[in-house]
Amino acid sequence: GNSVTQMEGPVTLSEEAFLTINCTYTATGYPSLFWYVQYPGEGLQLLLKATKADDKGSNKGFEATYRKETTSFHLEKGSVQVSDSAVYFCALINSGSARQLTFGSGTQLTVLP
Amino acid sequence: ETGVTQTPRHLVMGMTNKKSLKCEQHLGHNAMYWYKQSAKKPLELMFVYSLEERVENNSVPSRFSPECPNSSHLFLHLHTLQPEDSALYLCASSSQDRETGELFFGEGSRLTVL
Repeated sequence: GNSVTQMEGPVTLSEEAFLTINCTYTATGYPSLFWYVQYPGEGLQLLLKATKADDKGSNKGFEATYRKETTSFHLEKGSVQVSDSAVYFCALINSGSARQLTFGSGTQLTVLP
Repeated sequence: ETGVTQTPRHLVMGMTNKKSLKCEQHLGHNAMYWYKQSAKKPLELMFVYSLEERVENNSVPSRFSPECPNSSHLFLHLHTLQPEDSALYLCASSSQDRETGELFFGEGSRLTVL
């Protein structure tokens, strides 16, 4: 079956620090990979995605590269802001009759001023 | 505005009450989902509707009853819930026709069962 493993939090960083949140996956075939973000009191929002090997998704200064050889999709940002404080979820979709997201457990990020 | 609207945003109910959560999507999608998000637990997929047919029911207790009258609306009917059912219930929609089929989420309904 499909599974997503992401680093456990919480992660606390100072503003302008470099961020990495690790994500690895197990899936048959060629899944699409996603990072979702959940700000306090809100639902999940799609942050970025990649649909095939070596694709790089990027948005709002965040990046993640689909690495098939290491089955990874690590999230990075060069300089975090206080407003980036949120829970980040790595996820995958495998093709099928009903496309369903498989989520990681989420990583809480807190950025201090 | 995500295009997926959930009401109510907050709900408090007793164990003997009957209530419903509503989800509406304005994105022209043909699949809708209910997820449960509890503190310190992974997101749990509850139900999936594709083209208004239920295609997934992940061993959810019968006290949760979904209804999808059309492709734009999804309900979750609640009755005789337990305190452990207190959680954030997230609705999502997607297009089954698109290559990646990513999900678009509503802001959730925070349920507290007393």
